[in-house]
Amino acid sequence: KAGVTQTPRYLIKTRGQQVTLSCSPISGHRSVSWYQQTPGQGLQFLFEYFSETQRNKGNFPGRFSGRQFSNSRSEMNVSTLELGDSALYLCASSPDLGNQPQHFGDGTRLSIL
Amino acid sequence: GQNIDQPTEMTATEGAIVQINCTYQTSGFNGLFWYQQHAGEAPTFLSYNVLDGLEEKGRFSSFLSRSKGYSYLLLKELQMKDSASYLCAVRLDDYKLSFGAGTTVTVRA
Repeated sequence: KAGVTQTPRYLIKTRGQQVTLSCSPISGHRSVSWYQQTPGQGLQFLFEYFSETQRNKGNFPGRFSGRQFSNSRSEMNVSTLELGDSALYLCASSPDLGNQPQHFGDGTRLSIL
Repeated sequence: GQNIDQPTEMTATEGAIVQINCTYQTSGFNGLFWYQQHAGEAPTFLSYNVLDGLEEKGRFSSFLSRSKGYSYLLLKELQMKDSASYLCAVRLDDYKLSFGAGTTVTVRA
């Protein structure tokens, strides 16, 4: 069974640009969560999607948005990039909402110049 | 806000035992997860506790006391490959996962 796939693995952008990151969950998993990981802040929850609906949202500005498609694949978009957005963005999937463990992808490392 | 505290770093010798503590003060509790993350890799699931007590999985065990807001991960018979960051995460009432900053464990020969 293929794991969680995130593309691209690495991305370099400049301030003010926007970026879209993609996540394909494990087959059969319907819940997808996004996290930002930085050395100073650790893993910070961005949002969670289930059945194409955002179910939970973390404390990030509106520049961070996402969506989920009918096949459970998810995308995350960051607009008007800032230097502080440089981080590892991790996607995790689980079968549905509840207490099953989340399975993480390898992440997209975003660097802002 | 959510407070999930764990030590920043721990060092131990190959073959030894290490206990990583995690204390939490959160708005609600629906279980506690432990993840392992090697440098440059994705976090991988280790254990889950929702009731008080000890859960054992091979060399790894995890303990939970909900009344004390406390958990620990016990790593036995340490191997060099156990050098990694260990993340404690609490599932909140709204089912968000809130993570601690992680504990970097270094295993020395």
